[in-house]
Amino acid sequence: EPEVTQTPSHQVTQMGQEVILRCVPISNHLYFYWYRQILGQKVEFLVSFYNNEISEKSEIFDDQFSVERPDGSNFTLKIRSTKLEDSAMYFCASNTDRDKNTGELFFGEGSRLTVL
Amino acid sequence: EDKVVQSPLSLVVHEGDTVTLNCSYEVTNFRSLLWYKQEKKAPTFLFMLTSSGIEKKSGRLSSILDKKELFSILNITATQTGDSAVYLCAASNFGNEKLTFGTGTRLTIIP
Repeated sequence: EPEVTQTPSHQVTQMGQEVILRCVPISNHLYFYWYRQILGQKVEFLVSFYNNEISEKSEIFDDQFSVERPDGSNFTLKIRSTKLEDSAMYFCASNTDRDKNTGELFFGEGSRLTVL
Repeated sequence: EDKVVQSPLSLVVHEGDTVTLNCSYEVTNFRSLLWYKQEKKAPTFLFMLTSSGIEKKSGRLSSILDKKELFSILNITATQTGDSAVYLCAASNFGNEKLTFGTGTRLTIIP
């Protein structure tokens, strides 16, 4: 069964360093998302991406964050200069036009980011 | 600000029991209410509800939405240890892309 894959599963970094989290969405999906979940807290929306541009972003998604679909398969989230409060599980998700009507999002297994 | 509140935060029951998980929401331009199951990492989709009073059912799981009182319930009958997970409720709006999640209910089924 097709699935959203994310790498790395866990990354530890020093405060101020840049990190790139990678996602390979399901191949026929058109809409891509990043969510994050700080330990013990809610899953929070970061950004949605369609047709090679950001369609919506939350207040969390400030200038330190960027997304890119460099090669038609990968979908990346970059954090330019990490802060301690960026430590969280980052989930990539995708869906098709039809799934948007059902509301179903297909989530990856997540990338745990630990900022020291 | 859009808000989704789930209760209880955690629940421990014995195998075979029936459980009811609650979700209330305050969301502008409400579109749909979704339930997800999160076992270890990735949330997996259970149900989407858009209309009041229409029960969605999948095996031992069922869910219903009340758009007047702004809540939904998720019922699990004859619980099994495999039902142990965090159950997430989320709401979507017309006009934007995001889902607003609740904090989840951690369900533990004791054999």
